[in-house]
Amino acid sequence: TQLLEQSPQFLSIQEGENLTVYCNSSSVFSSLQWYRQEPGEGPVLLVTVVTGGEVKKLKRLTFQFGDARKDSSLHITAAQPGDTGLYLCAGAQGGSEKLVFGKGTKLTVNP
Amino acid sequence: SAVISQKPSRDICQRGTSLTIQCQVDSQVTMMFWYRQQPGQSLTLIATANQGSEATYESGFVIDKFPISRPNLTFSTLTVSNMSPEDSSIYLCSVDTGGFPYEQYFGPGTRLTVT
Repeated sequence: TQLLEQSPQFLSIQEGENLTVYCNSSSVFSSLQWYRQEPGEGPVLLVTVVTGGEVKKLKRLTFQFGDARKDSSLHITAAQPGDTGLYLCAGAQGGSEKLVFGKGTKLTVNP
Repeated sequence: SAVISQKPSRDICQRGTSLTIQCQVDSQVTMMFWYRQQPGQSLTLIATANQGSEATYESGFVIDKFPISRPNLTFSTLTVSNMSPEDSSIYLCSVDTGGFPYEQYFGPGTRLTVT
C-alpha cells in the first residue's frame, strides 16, 4: 500500500501552460516536502509545509498543504522547459525523521 | 542545508562482486539515510545510519546484503554485497537538518549496473 498517492504519474505539456500535481494520503503528516530531481542528480528540496492550510510560493510554483495535513498540491504557472524533471512529495509522520515518498510525477515541458 | 558528495558516481560491476559507495558531508550530521531508486521512479529507503550505533534497516533489506558503516558525523559507506543484476539501480545518500521538520538533502547518487 502506497502511503502517499501522487498524481498524475506522467505529464507532458507545452511551454506556457499551467499544471497541478497532487499528493494525497489517508494519513496525517507532521510535515510535507516537495523535491525536484533531474536526470543524473539527487532530489533537490523545493519547499517544506508544516501547517494545515499553509500556502507557499516559490516564483511560479505554489505549494499548498491541506487543512487536515493529509494532502498537498504543487501548481506551476506558465511552465518552462527548465521545469522539466521528476517531482516527488515526501511526508514525515509523528516524531519520525524518516520520510515517506510518493511515486513521483515525471513532468516534461516542451518548447 | 548541506553539501553531499558520493563516490563513485557510477560503476559497472560483475555478478557476485561487491561495491562500496562512499558518502561525504560538509558538516556534522546525526542522521544519514541510504536509498535505492530505479531510474525515473521513486525512492525506497534501505536504512538509517546514526553515528555510534548500528544502522536500522527497512523491511526487505538486510545487513548481510547491505552493510553500512558510520565511523563519524560526516561520513558513511554502503556496501552492496554479492551483487546480482537485480541490484542495478541508483543509490542515494541523504542527511537531514536535525530536528523538525526533518528536511533531507541528497547526494548526487551512484548509478550501479551489474552484469
